[in-house]
Parts: sequence; structure tokens; C-alpha cells
Amino acid sequence: GEDVEQSLFLSVREGDSSVINCTYTDSSSTYLYWYKQEPGAGLQLLTYIFSNMDMKQDQRLTVLLNKKDKHLSLRIADTQTGDSAIYFCAESRYNTDKLIFGTGTRLQVFP
Amino acid sequence: DSGVTQTPKHLITATGQRVTLRCSPRSGDLSVYWYQQSLDQGLQFLIQYYNGEERAKGNILERFSAQQFPDLHSELNLSSLELGDSALYFCASSVALGTGDNEQFFGPGTRLTVL
Repeated sequence: GEDVEQSLFLSVREGDSSVINCTYTDSSSTYLYWYKQEPGAGLQLLTYIFSNMDMKQDQRLTVLLNKKDKHLSLRIADTQTGDSAIYFCAESRYNTDKLIFGTGTRLQVFP
Repeated sequence: DSGVTQTPKHLITATGQRVTLRCSPRSGDLSVYWYQQSLDQGLQFLIQYYNGEERAKGNILERFSAQQFPDLHSELNLSSLELGDSALYFCASSVALGTGDNEQFFGPGTRLTVL
């Protein structure tokens, strides 16, 4: 199937780390992505990881991929109020360009 | 600013009507994608065009159609509108095809409300 699942909400204190999780079902996923959507705005690509990698770090963002469990996570270090948004994981599969998006996780950062 | 523009930003119309959403991709991008974001269905891929030709189709209703013009802008036509078509419609563009790290840049979306 094409299901990509995420938990709906995450609330963290400013300065703490946030971990947003995603599970997918199709083992033919080639690339996995994290997008951020702020209110009234489009989707902004934060980072992506190729399916043969386990981890990717990009400044405050760390992506972990467990291909055996089909589990993807995004860790945001030192979370700031400006990180409050909806975060979507997405996957692309071999020989197709379309993105299959998860259900989105709303991250709320409080002072 | 992603470089992808969409017009109009908001559209309010009645059931049974027909609307056209417009997208201008980033300069140099040949591939255009349309996605629909609704409360019921989440973010869903509708259709993709590459250099004027339809490349892939997703969950696009028969009442909806799209095209990409020689100047690479794209239009999404929605007809016989129903209340359930109310959603945010995103356009995205990318340079080429399916290289995997082929980043899709998203426009700000058109919010369609069907009354």
C-alpha cells in the first residue's frame, strides 16, 4: 500500500530536542524526505536521505533511517519557536517522481 | 521564496462551477507537479507534466484536467465542482525527472473553497 504514517502532534519546550517519527510500508522507496509547512505557506524541503543510508546530519537536523523496520525520524536539536510548523515525511519510489506524503506532524514549541 | 508562483491565492466559487488554477515553475524547471491537500485525504499527488507531456497520473478525478504549455507554465482545470473539492492545491516544479534527489520546489498554493 501507499500508507505513510506519522503521529499527529508533538509539543516540546524551547531548547529541547524534537523527534518526529514516520513509518512507511513500501520497501521500494528510494529517497525519503522531510518537508516543513508553516501556516499559510507552501512546503519547504528540509532534508532528504537516500534509502541506502542510515543517517544524515545537516546542522540542527538529523535524519535516521531504519530500513528493516521502515522507520524514518527527524531530530531537531535546540528546538526554537520558529520551528513550530507541520512536518511531513515523504517518499519517492523507483522509476517514479511523485511524492507520497505522510499525514503530517504538528510541532508546537513553547517557551 | 521557492520561485514557483501560483495564482490565484484564494478562490471561492459555487458547486457545479469550473475554475482554472495557474502555476509558473521555477526558471529552467521542465517538470511540473500538482498536489491536493485536504483535511480528509491529506497531501495527494494529482498529476505530473514534463516538457509539455503528461508524465504520471495519481488520484486525479475525471472532472479535473491539466496541461503544460510551451512556455512551461501549467494550468489545472477543475469542473463540476463539489463541496469536497475544497482544498489547498499546490504546484511544484523540478529540473528534470526521477533522479531521486530531484528536489521538488513547492509554490504557496491556491486555496479553493466551494460553497
